[in-house]
Amino acid sequence: ILNVEQSPQSLHVQEGDSTNFTCSFPSSNFYALHWYRWETAKSPEALFVMTLNGDEKKKGRISATLNTKEGYSYLYIKGSQPEDSATYLCAFTNSGGGADGLTFGKGTHLIIQP
Amino acid sequence: EAGVAQSPRYKIIEKRQSVAFWCNPISGHATLYWYQQILGQGPKLLIQFQNNGVVDDSQLPKDRFSAERLKGVDSTLKIQPAKLEDSAVYLCASSSIGRRVTDTQYFGPGTRLTVL
Repeated sequence: ILNVEQSPQSLHVQEGDSTNFTCSFPSSNFYALHWYRWETAKSPEALFVMTLNGDEKKKGRISATLNTKEGYSYLYIKGSQPEDSATYLCAFTNSGGGADGLTFGKGTHLIIQP
Repeated sequence: EAGVAQSPRYKIIEKRQSVAFWCNPISGHATLYWYQQILGQGPKLLIQFQNNGVVDDSQLPKDRFSAERLKGVDSTLKIQPAKLEDSAVYLCASSSIGRRVTDTQYFGPGTRLTVL
């Protein structure tokens, strides 16, 4: 059984502040780590797919890092804006078998306070 | 480019009734996934199709859930009969190639099912 853990479960951040949260995953048989942003009543939106140890990706004010040896990824948001309010999900794929369905964490629910 | 379409968006049924959800993936995407997201949990994979063949249905409760993808395009997920614990958001996703774990999975808006 693969377990993906995300922390914190929820987070209140003042507009303009920067924030970060964590995703932990099994380090054995690692293949890829995905980050999604899911706003209420909308489709989950893909942010990043990361595969290499030490990888760092950036999209606007959002960036992510990956450590496959110790099994964690950080997501950073710089200068939070109200539109950043969403649930941020990470998902893991291992190299076992031919299927590539994602194993998700429970998410970090981010609320940006004006 | 149109995204993944799902219908209905919301459904309320009584327990022991049947329900079906429909998904139309992004045009040309060979791989289609159904996920179940129960409140407070992360989405859980139910079934993965590659074209019209099943790749993984190990977490699909086959006594009550069924899914098909005729002609390798649209897909339907059915629950018969529904139980209270089936209340969840059912998400459909598609990817262009699949079986390559770096492919992005694109999600639809989901169907929120409430079983009373």
